[in-house]
Amino acid sequence: EPEVTQTPSHQVTQMGQEVILRCVPISNHLYFYWYRQILGQKVEFLVSFYNNEISEKSEIFDDQFSVERPDGSNFTLKIRSTKLEDSAMYFCASSEIRGTGELFFGEGSRLTVL
Amino acid sequence: DQQVKQNSPSLSVQEGRISILNCDYTNSMFDYFLWYKKYPAEGPTFLISISSIKDKNEDGRFTVFLNKSAKHLSLHIVPSQPGDSAVYFCAASEGGSEKLVFGKGMKLTVNP
Repeated sequence: EPEVTQTPSHQVTQMGQEVILRCVPISNHLYFYWYRQILGQKVEFLVSFYNNEISEKSEIFDDQFSVERPDGSNFTLKIRSTKLEDSAMYFCASSEIRGTGELFFGEGSRLTVL
Repeated sequence: DQQVKQNSPSLSVQEGRISILNCDYTNSMFDYFLWYKKYPAEGPTFLISISSIKDKNEDGRFTVFLNKSAKHLSLHIVPSQPGDSAVYFCAASEGGSEKLVFGKGMKLTVNP
């Protein structure tokens, strides 16, 4: 069964460092998303991406964050200068159809900022 | 921001019995509701959804009920199986938005 894959599974970084989280969405999906879950809190929407541009973003997704689809398969989330509060599980998701909410999530990348 | 609330953090039921998971929401603009389940070390997996024009949707052992006047939805699992043990998230979206708003989740344990 096709799945969304994410790397790395866990990354530890120092505050102020840049981090890139990578995702390979399901191949025939056109809509891509990043969500995050801070430990003990809700899963929160960060950004959605379609046709090589951001279609929607949350207040969390400030100038420190960026997304890119550098080639036909990868979808990346970059955090330019990490803060302690960026420590969370980051989930990539993709969907074939827009608006149904039926997303396919990856297993997540745990980011720890020291 | 508590637009989607799952007030009970956990539920424990016996195998074969019914599991009822509840969810309340405050945003009357939500028009699509979903349930996701999550196993440890995995991402959330879509389970079932319901549009605001319906009050019930059924898929095998899983049924979601929507009460718009009460801004309440519930997920019924009948019969419950040990493999259903997971964290269940209620989520909602507003027309035209791709953003899902999640509840905090509820841990279901089904005992053999």
